[in-house]
Amino acid sequence: EAEVAQSPRYKITEKSQAVAFWCDPISGHATLYWYRQILGQGPELLVQFQDESVVDDSQLPKDRFSAERLKGVDSTLKIQPAELGDSAMYLCASSFQGSEQYFGPGTRLTVT
Amino acid sequence: GEDVEQSLFLSVREGDSSVINCTYTDSSSTYLYWYKQEPGAGLQLLTYIFSNMDMKQDQRLTVLLNKKDKHLSLRIADTQTGDSAIYFCAEKTGRRALTFGSGTRLQVQP
Repeated sequence: EAEVAQSPRYKITEKSQAVAFWCDPISGHATLYWYRQILGQGPELLVQFQDESVVDDSQLPKDRFSAERLKGVDSTLKIQPAELGDSAMYLCASSFQGSEQYFGPGTRLTVT
Repeated sequence: GEDVEQSLFLSVREGDSSVINCTYTDSSSTYLYWYKQEPGAGLQLLTYIFSNMDMKQDQRLTVLLNKKDKHLSLRIADTQTGDSAIYFCAEKTGRRALTFGSGTRLQVQP
């Protein structure tokens, strides 16, 4: 069964360092989402791509976060510099025609 | 803005039915979803319902939608210990991303 892949699964970094997460959506899924999930809360959207174009990045803290999906397939989310408040689970999801979103296993980020 | 509310915790005995409730505010929601999250894992799509439907059944899962009251529920029949997890309700409007509730922790007592 096709799955959304994410790496790394866990990342510990010191504040002010740069960190990057990678996501490979289910093959053929044009829409890709990055969500952030703070412990005890539901996921919140950071950025949404349709193919290689950004559809919604209104909640992305653009002073430190960036996201790209250059060829419309896999995607990278970067944080530079990381802050203590960025500790969270970063979830990637993809969908084919928009009704069903499938999530990857997530990257658990701890900033020390 | 949009808001999705869920109760925080539900405890049931194994074999009983579980009912997890959710309310939402966006009357233009097109789809409503239930996801399951086990500790340290991503979200697993359990089921979803189109907003013009009242009910959807899928094996042990029954989703009820009261669009007038903006109330969604998930019933799990014959709840098992493996059903212990956090359950998230989410809504989707148009091409936008999902808006999630804060999750309901289901604890199944043996």
